[in-house]
Amino acid sequence: KQEVTQIPAALSVPEGENLVLNCSFTDSAIYNLQWFRQDPGKGLTSLLLIQSSQREQTSGRLNASLDKSSGRSTLYIAASQPGDSATYLCAVPYSGGGADGLTFGKGTHLIIQP
Amino acid sequence: GAVVSQHPSWVICKSGTSVKIECRSLDFQATTMFWYRQFPKQSLMLMATSNEGSKATYEQGVEKDKFLINHASLTLSTLTVTSAHPEDSSFYICSANPRGSPLHFGNGTRLTVT
Repeated sequence: KQEVTQIPAALSVPEGENLVLNCSFTDSAIYNLQWFRQDPGKGLTSLLLIQSSQREQTSGRLNASLDKSSGRSTLYIAASQPGDSATYLCAVPYSGGGADGLTFGKGTHLIIQP
Repeated sequence: GAVVSQHPSWVICKSGTSVKIECRSLDFQATTMFWYRQFPKQSLMLMATSNEGSKATYEQGVEKDKFLINHASLTLSTLTVTSAHPEDSSFYICSANPRGSPLHFGNGTRLTVT
């Protein structure tokens, strides 16, 4: 059974810092990995999707990497801003393929201090 | 972009009553939709896969007679929590994906059973 772990569970840093969020998964037979943002009491916003054939994806100040063989992904946030405060979730497809749901980590609760 | 609309955003009901949550794909057809549940400080957990025109597929430990799913059209899936109890209080989120695109999530429904 796939398990997704995110470290750290919570992080509070001053504005402007660069930071790294970590995600690990137990079953490396995935065909993609996604990073989401969740604001309190809200749904999810997809940030980045990395296909299994890719090693990284970038969107603005966000960069996500994927090392399938080691079962790890990182989300790098550059020049953090207070508006980046949210919970960041990592997710992989629920099973091997097809129209699957996702298995999520518990998330990293991020606070950027002004 | 693709939008998934979920309604209501929050609901309070008395123990023993039933509550229906709607999930709509606004600008695309979705033969498959997914229902998740999220307890406080926990990850999203896949409850069931809703299939248009056929029975839903429930994950282990999810009572199909308690959480009734109907996917009667290509743009609408409903989740009915029957005979709700306080332990059913949770955040329920649906998702769907346009063909060839990542999953899109609704904004979720906060259910409180008193």
